[in-house]
Amino acid sequence: AQSVTQLDSHVSVSEGTPVLLRCNYSSSYSPSLFWYVQHPNKGLQLLLKYTSAATLVKGINGFEAEFKKSETSFHLTKPSAHMSDAAEYFCVVSEVQGAQKLVFGQGTRLTINP
Amino acid sequence: GAGVSQTPSNKVTEKGKYVELRCDPISGHTALYWYRQSLGQGPEFLIYFQGTGAADDSGLPNDRFFAVRPEGSVSTLKIQRTERGDSAMYLCASSLEFGTGVFFGPGTRLTVL
Repeated sequence: AQSVTQLDSHVSVSEGTPVLLRCNYSSSYSPSLFWYVQHPNKGLQLLLKYTSAATLVKGINGFEAEFKKSETSFHLTKPSAHMSDAAEYFCVVSEVQGAQKLVFGQGTRLTINP
Repeated sequence: GAGVSQTPSNKVTEKGKYVELRCDPISGHTALYWYRQSLGQGPEFLIYFQGTGAADDSGLPNDRFFAVRPEGSVSTLKIQRTERGDSAMYLCASSLEFGTGVFFGPGTRLTVL
């Protein structure tokens, strides 16, 4: 069965500093991996996805993630945090390509300090 | 807007009552999903439709939960004899069959008193 573990439930950074949100996955298949963001009182929004093409994936709003098979990791990064990045972030694995049944991590709450 | 829509946005009901939650997927999306998100948790899969049929309903917690998609577009999640533990955000999503991603609606917040 597929699963994801988000290693930090809460991350706090200062505006303008780098962001790192950590995710490890477990999958019996070649996985599809995603990061979603959830702002307060808003729906889930897809940030980026990995589907066995390039291992470094660029997403929206300056975020990117690197798929590392040897480490079973898919960490999310951003060089410089903005106040608007404050939200809940979910690492997600899908058991088949094409984004069908998604398995979510527990989420990481990102706080940006002025 | 061409996104996934869900109605109602909020539903408050009493224990033991029956509720229906509606989802309108993105036009042309053949796959439709229901997820449930409890406070402080990530969404959990409930059921997935491919067209009119339920391709995978392994996430439905018990037989009080049922979902339909009779014409392959709009879907309704039905909960019988609601319990306080059913209180959560219910999320609907849709995608192309082999699509570019799964797109989520804003959710219906269900509160069972």
